[in-house]
Amino acid sequence: SQKIEQNSEALNIQEGKTATLTCNYTNYSPAYLQWYRQDPGRGPVFLLLIRENEKEKRKERLKVTFDTTLKQSLFHITASQPADSATYLCALNDYKLSFGAGTTVTVRA
Amino acid sequence: EAGVAQSPRYKIIEKRQSVAFWCNPISGHATLYWYQQILGQGPKLLIQFQNNGVVDDSQLPKDRFSAERLKGVDSTLKIQPAKLEDSAVYLCASSRLGAGEATDTQYFGPGTRLTVL
Repeated sequence: SQKIEQNSEALNIQEGKTATLTCNYTNYSPAYLQWYRQDPGRGPVFLLLIRENEKEKRKERLKVTFDTTLKQSLFHITASQPADSATYLCALNDYKLSFGAGTTVTVRA
Repeated sequence: EAGVAQSPRYKIIEKRQSVAFWCNPISGHATLYWYQQILGQGPKLLIQFQNNGVVDDSQLPKDRFSAERLKGVDSTLKIQPAKLEDSAVYLCASSRLGAGEATDTQYFGPGTRLTVL
């Protein structure tokens, strides 16, 4: 069956450090992978999209990698700030958007 | 640009009752989506409209859930009768392009939190 797995544990990190989140998938062949941010009581907000032929994508302090051989994407937040505290969702595009359960990140000042 | 609007924000009902949610997408967006997000899980697509036609409703429990998109703009999602397992946040999203445009960005509303007692 199809499965999308993100870090099961919440991530607690010190301000200024890099947070690394993992998204692994099975039985999908996505052409695109997206990352979203979700704050409590709000809907997800789109952050980044990476195509299957792109190895890496950057946006400000965010970096995403996509390895279709490993069936894995890594999401990095560099120089993290307390304002980065949120749940981060990965989503795969096959013919519709399928989401992982998300990883909650807390950045301590 | 105004975002996706949803109402109500919260709803508490008893099992076997009916409930309806409303969504107003971003102006000009062709595609509208309804998702169900159970606590601790990611959003799950229930139904996707392009303009006023249904593109995908494969995960919609059609024995109790129904949805329509009026004149290709606003949409309502109804549950009748509700079950305890329907307790979740119901998210509406819209996107500018048509279905199948995989790079199309989806914009989400704040959601309606439904509690079924």
